[in-house]
Amino acid sequence: GQSLEQPSEVTAVEGAIVQINCTYQTSGFYGLSWYQQHDGGAPTFLSYNGLDGLEETGRFSSFLSRSDSYGYLLLQELQMKDSASYFCAVRLADSSYKLIFGSGTRLLVRP
Amino acid sequence: ETGVTQTPRHLVMGMTNKKSLKCEQHLGHNAMYWYKQSAKKPLELMFVYNFKEQTENNSVPSRFSPECPNSSHLFLHLHTLQPEDSALYLCASSPMPDGNQPQHFGDGTRLSIL
Repeated sequence: GQSLEQPSEVTAVEGAIVQINCTYQTSGFYGLSWYQQHDGGAPTFLSYNGLDGLEETGRFSSFLSRSDSYGYLLLQELQMKDSASYFCAVRLADSSYKLIFGSGTRLLVRP
Repeated sequence: ETGVTQTPRHLVMGMTNKKSLKCEQHLGHNAMYWYKQSAKKPLELMFVYNFKEQTENNSVPSRFSPECPNSSHLFLHLHTLQPEDSALYLCASSPMPDGNQPQHFGDGTRLSIL
């Protein structure tokens, strides 16, 4: 089967740095994506890692280690508006078009 | 404005009703998707369409019937649903169905089955 594991909840203080981990066990791997979803809103794409290493986009960075089947999303200079759920998603390396999502990490940013 | 619009936002229906969910995208994408999001569960892919052709049916029960008349519109026809089908149904689109391309999601339809 396919599984992605991420913490269910993380709490951090405004201005701090937080890391959300994602480990995966899938039948093949093509790349790891991260999505953000505010309550009542649509998931929005944050980042994609196809190769090992760090990708940086403003305050957000994402890291991938394929040998460890592991990735993380790093959020810096946290703001209250970053309170949301964050999902990692794996694209399988087969002919299907499936994105397999994790259950999501709910991030609460406190003043 | 996400570029992907879903209607209705909320739907309450009985198990014997027939209803349809609508999705429209104005992004010029060729691939469209239906997902189911239940509380405390991962987003679950239901169907994938590429250039109006269904390319993926993720073992979805036949009481869910998708329709894609063109690359901009996607429907999900519902009939004889079960209480466990209550969930948020999300539509998404991407330029192509390749999973390394970002998917753009609508705000979803919150479905409640009585």
